[in-house]
Amino acid sequence: EAGVAQSPRYKIIEKRQSVAFWCNPISGHATLYWYQQILGQGPKLLIQFQNNGVVDDSQLPKDRFSAERLKGVDSTLKIQPAKLEDSAVYLCASSLVSSYRETQYFGPGTRLLVL
Amino acid sequence: AQSVTQPDIHITVSEGASLELRCNYSYGATPYLFWYVQSPGQGLQLLLKYFSGDTLVQGIKGFEAEFKRSQSSFNLRKPSVHWSDAAEYFCAASGANNLFFGTGTRLTVIP
Repeated sequence: EAGVAQSPRYKIIEKRQSVAFWCNPISGHATLYWYQQILGQGPKLLIQFQNNGVVDDSQLPKDRFSAERLKGVDSTLKIQPAKLEDSAVYLCASSLVSSYRETQYFGPGTRLLVL
Repeated sequence: AQSVTQPDIHITVSEGASLELRCNYSYGATPYLFWYVQSPGQGLQLLLKYFSGDTLVQGIKGFEAEFKRSQSSFNLRKPSVHWSDAAEYFCAASGANNLFFGTGTRLTVIP
């Protein structure tokens, strides 16, 4: 079974530029999560999708971050404009259903450096 | 407030020695509890989880964890550490609608 795929793996941009990350979840997984992991911290949930609808985006900085999951499969997370404090690893995860009892399967992450 | 605390930022053990990683949680009720491992450049992999029942949970790679309600703890253990266990370990807790991770414990294994 293929795991969660993410691209790119690394990205370096200057502040005020925009950037987009892509995630392809495990086939058949209805729920998709985006996490931000700042160096030295645990992952923090940014947004959760159930199919193509948003379940929870309370921690997403909506003035600069946006995410979509068209057709309920792939998802894109965008930052525009980026700030220095956005430097982090962005992890995508998926699970069969929308329950925190369900095992979440994580992708390798995209490491973003904002200069 | 809901939180997960991993008091040890970095632990070093010798290969073959036993390991215990500490995790404490603060929740209104008994949460669901998880341990994840993250190898360098990799995503997180679930080691084990606890929902209810037997307080000693067995996981993959020879890991186990014990839930102690009286101490609000869910410590991870392994009787004999292998060099390949070197990684970052995250404890996490969830209620119905959220999942909180601790700040992680980095494990170094020396020959």
